[in-house]
Amino acid sequence: DIQMTQSPSSLSASVGDRVTLTCQASQDIRNYLNWYQQKPGKAPKVLIYDASNLETGVPSRFSGSGSGTDFTFTISSLQPEDIATYYCQQYDNLPLTFGGGTKVEIK
Amino acid sequence: EVQLVESGGGLVQPGRSLRLSCAASGFTFDDYAMHWVRQAPGKGLEWVSGISWNSGNIGYADSVKGRFTISRDNAKNSLYLQMNSLRAEDTAFYYCAKGPYGDYSRGAFDIWGQGTMVTVSS
Repeated sequence: DIQMTQSPSSLSASVGDRVTLTCQASQDIRNYLNWYQQKPGKAPKVLIYDASNLETGVPSRFSGSGSGTDFTFTISSLQPEDIATYYCQQYDNLPLTFGGGTKVEIK
Repeated sequence: EVQLVESGGGLVQPGRSLRLSCAASGFTFDDYAMHWVRQAPGKGLEWVSGISWNSGNIGYADSVKGRFTISRDNAKNSLYLQMNSLRAEDTAFYYCAKGPYGDYSRGAFDIWGQGTMVTVSS
């Protein structure tokens, strides 16, 4: 199985800060990487698909990059409504696997 | 409005069975793959199973293989998960999710239901 490792596991930042999360795959997954946001008590929501494509309706302050084994998710200007846990997920190989998540909080 | 609504969760004893359902609306159900994804309390997300648009291809996580069975009824716009030989470690919120293609092994989970809780305990 492909292991997905996210870092950090949690972070605290101020409103307006640039926030960067990383996700590393245990083997080459090309660009078959998605990012999800899960707010407390809610279902996850896809934000970025295929490593860098913004899902329709998602604010442009969210972005993704990377390919192969190393990926980055960025919030260009953190907003209060961005408080959530963010997960990466690969679909290069079965079984489909998620990273452990990064919890983002406001300082 | 595109919507997925799960049902069938509850409290069940170890070793017993439970069947989850997911009712889809607002999109052409039989064009798309569907999935079950679960989340244990306070934990991360785990893909459980996926099924292609025509049920021709199906996959499972190793943790549920041989115990869980995914199926769909395109005439009823419904997805199911038959869970047998339940264990305490199956306790989780179970989400129904839609794929963007007919093939379940491709793409993101682009629509999610609100989830249904399954608790396995004596």
